[in-house]
Amino acid sequence: KNQVEQSPQSLIILEGKNCTLQCNYTVSPFSNLRWYKQDTGRGPVSLTIMTFSENTKSNGRYTATLDADTKQSSLHITASQLSDSASYICVVRRTSGTYKYIFGTGTRLKVLA
Amino acid sequence: EPEVTQTPSHQVTQMGQEVILRCVPISNHLYFYWYRQILGQKVEFLVSFYNNEISEKSEIFDDQFSVERPDGSNFTLKIRSTKLEDSAMYFCASAEETTYEQYFGPGTRLTVT
Repeated sequence: KNQVEQSPQSLIILEGKNCTLQCNYTVSPFSNLRWYKQDTGRGPVSLTIMTFSENTKSNGRYTATLDADTKQSSLHITASQLSDSASYICVVRRTSGTYKYIFGTGTRLKVLA
Repeated sequence: EPEVTQTPSHQVTQMGQEVILRCVPISNHLYFYWYRQILGQKVEFLVSFYNNEISEKSEIFDDQFSVERPDGSNFTLKIRSTKLEDSAMYFCASAEETTYEQYFGPGTRLTVT
């Protein structure tokens, strides 16, 4: 079954701290994995896209990793800011099949001052 | 910075009515997408559109749904005979290439009563 599981479901951290969000997937055949940030009531904003051959990609304070063998990805946020408060969604794209984009349920991050 | 726009921001309709949700993708983008997000649930892929035809669709995208690019700038999602369970946030997205990042619009909240 093609699924994307994210953990934790929610997370509260203090401003300036680092955190790591996890994404495990059972999706196949695999094309790429994307991390999005979604503010409440807004559309998702792309953070990173990684293909099978990439194992790390950074976008400012966001660093994503991918282990295609274990089908795990992580998103590390460095020196968190209040504006990082949002849901972070992991999405896996398949190369074939009817459900091409499999979304995780997201991790809701709250950064406190 | 160019962005995807969607209208209306909120649409209320009665069960059984037809609705058309409108999107203006980023002008040089070639790939267009519709997603939906039922309140409190994860985002779900509906359909992708390229070169004036559907390139991929999910099992959700049945005969009740149709998409069109009527005039080279707008991209529409039509829902015929709406049902209560069609109530959701509908997001449009566009991309330069299928493997590139997708830019999402702010969404249209559809409420079926």
